[in-house]
Amino acid sequence: ETGVTQSPTHLIKTRGQQVTLRCSSQSGHNTVSWYQQALGQGPQFIFQYYREEENGRGNFPPRFSGLQFPNYSSELNVNALELDDSALYLCASTRYNEQFFGPGTRLTVL
Amino acid sequence: GQQVMQIPQYQHVQEGEDFTTYCNSSTTLSNIQWYKQRPGGHPVFLIQLVKSGEVKKQKRLTFQFGEAKKNSSLHITATQTTDVGTYFCAGGGTSGTYKYIFGTGTRLKVLA
Repeated sequence: ETGVTQSPTHLIKTRGQQVTLRCSSQSGHNTVSWYQQALGQGPQFIFQYYREEENGRGNFPPRFSGLQFPNYSSELNVNALELDDSALYLCASTRYNEQFFGPGTRLTVL
Repeated sequence: GQQVMQIPQYQHVQEGEDFTTYCNSSTTLSNIQWYKQRPGGHPVFLIQLVKSGEVKKQKRLTFQFGEAKKNSSLHITATQTTDVGTYFCAGGGTSGTYKYIFGTGTRLKVLA
């Protein structure tokens, strides 16, 4: 296993609501990235945090935001949920250029 | 923006046959990574290639990085049923971050 955990495993929300997804990475992994993976597609880069600062962002609107904490945990927050936000959300911690993915959170927006 | 395409999208092979997936980037990459994702699972890192023309082997898997650092391939010799899954390449840009653009993936099915 990668040592990266995510919670919750599954989540159902309704359109317009807000959601917080959590990720806990391995000690010493200073970089964490978040990805959105729609069914049958490759992971799409949302953003990356390095030492608690945003260090790069993909083509996602500002309602996708994040935080990284000193204890190597991080959060992905999504406001004003839309139906198209339904996807598997993956976090990945990085050490020596190798990304270790967590099991993901399956978000369903109704 | 940068795009990474993979072909084929799907591949069904008989156990024992070889398999190759190709990855092409619209821009020059600083490096490329390959991942395997089993059905219902998460991507698992396989390898990273950095140098132009680099070739790396892992048992039955051979990875190549093109001379222009815009394309890559993964070749599996004598596939086994355990090779089933989706193979993604992920291109690293030159922005200085660990931002990776994942390819569209190739889903491999191996028939016993």
